[in-house]
Amino acid sequence: QVTLRESGPALVKPTQTLTLTCTVSGFSLSTSGMCVSWIRQPPGKALEWLALIDWDDDEYYSTSLKTRLTISKDTSKNQVVLRMTNMDPVDTATYYCARKMTAVGTGFDYWGQGTLVTVSS
Amino acid sequence: QSALTQPASVSGSPGQSITISCTGTSSDVGDYNYVSWYQQHPGKAPKLIIYDVTNRPSGVSNRFSGSKSGNTASLTISGLQPVDEADYYCTSYTGSSTLDYVFGTGTKVTVL
Repeated sequence: QVTLRESGPALVKPTQTLTLTCTVSGFSLSTSGMCVSWIRQPPGKALEWLALIDWDDDEYYSTSLKTRLTISKDTSKNQVVLRMTNMDPVDTATYYCARKMTAVGTGFDYWGQGTLVTVSS
Repeated sequence: QSALTQPASVSGSPGQSITISCTGTSSDVGDYNYVSWYQQHPGKAPKLIIYDVTNRPSGVSNRFSGSKSGNTASLTISGLQPVDEADYYCTSYTGSSTLDYVFGTGTKVTVL
């Protein structure tokens, strides 16, 4: 059974760095083609793709946010980590991690339940 | 990268068919057959219902179908049911300079 679970702080202050962890089970992060992405959704708003890491540790970032994002993975711990620097109240959102079987195509087939991050002083 | 354009809302009566459009550009929807669609019920994570324009994942109802023409992709829901009332999002691969994905603005489907 494939599952993904996000974890991290519910509240961060402006200018701080956010670190989120996605813990996966039911599949291996080292399987050829396997990818995990981070996607966020501000309250009442649309989804926004943030970053993707593939089985070979190639990293891809949203063009508009790439200077603030770092994605990494620890295959032995079955975890994918997203760091976002210089947090601002507009970054308040539910952050999801999602699996993809290939970097291009196939869709995000499994999602975590999401974790709400509020940015406020 | 600008978001793909979807109608804010679409409604229909039970049993009817509805179509949701997703308009992009020649750099995303128009250039790649990598459009996927997601259904999201309130307070829940999105669920993949169509990938690579026309393909349905295992377990997804065949009442959902996808298509594409030029820079516009479409999701059709036939035999509309109350359980279909949800938000729907499209997304497209856009690899003009590097791998990137863009989501649509979202459509609220109401079953009358």
